[in-house]
Amino acid sequence: GAVVSQHPSWVICKSGTSVKIECRSLDFQATTMFWYRQFPKQSLMLMATSNEGSKATYEQGVEKDKFLINHASLTLSTLTVTSAHPEDSSFYICSASGFLVGQTSNQPQHFGDGTRLSIL
Amino acid sequence: AQKITQTQPGMFVQEKEAVTLDCTYDTSDQSYGLFWYKQPSSGEMIFLIYQGSYDEQNATEGRYSLNFQKARKSANLVISASQLGDSAMYFCAMRERADSGYSTLTFGKGTMLLVSP
Repeated sequence: GAVVSQHPSWVICKSGTSVKIECRSLDFQATTMFWYRQFPKQSLMLMATSNEGSKATYEQGVEKDKFLINHASLTLSTLTVTSAHPEDSSFYICSASGFLVGQTSNQPQHFGDGTRLSIL
Repeated sequence: AQKITQTQPGMFVQEKEAVTLDCTYDTSDQSYGLFWYKQPSSGEMIFLIYQGSYDEQNATEGRYSLNFQKARKSANLVISASQLGDSAMYFCAMRERADSGYSTLTFGKGTMLLVSP
């Protein structure tokens, strides 16, 4: 089945550091990738949606300059948290939807395992 | 207004018994999809079951079944023969087409299920 790999799974860094999180689709072409943020004991909140080769669409209230999203290929999207501060500490999770190689039917969203970001 | 409502913050069930997790949704779209995901304490989102708005039969996947009542806009998850490993957070989600043209998933607030021996 389709697999989405997210890396790293854990990041602890100092305030002011920029952190890059990668999301890869391993066996399908991810035409659309989604980035979510989840605070403890809360639901997933969509941050942005990106299509391969185009600019991301950010949800209301999400700072575009703070959370840089790049979806340069059909298998890779990155989220960069620029100049991270303690309030950016959260669980970030990506998901992807697209087409299995050789097939045309659209696949449901598949999620990465998430990245726990802790800013000291 | 919330698009996905899960009214049960927490549920307890005894091992081997069945449990129903409630989910109601709100949409004006004719075409939409309903999902249930399981999130254990480790954080990963595990896809459980899917129901399309045009599907006439209730979806089933092993011990999971979705009680889809379209007129009532409800999509409850039924877990039969609960196991200790079922203890986790469960999210109901709806996929519909956003104004941007993309299909996006909207999640409910989740229900924490605890299975006791």
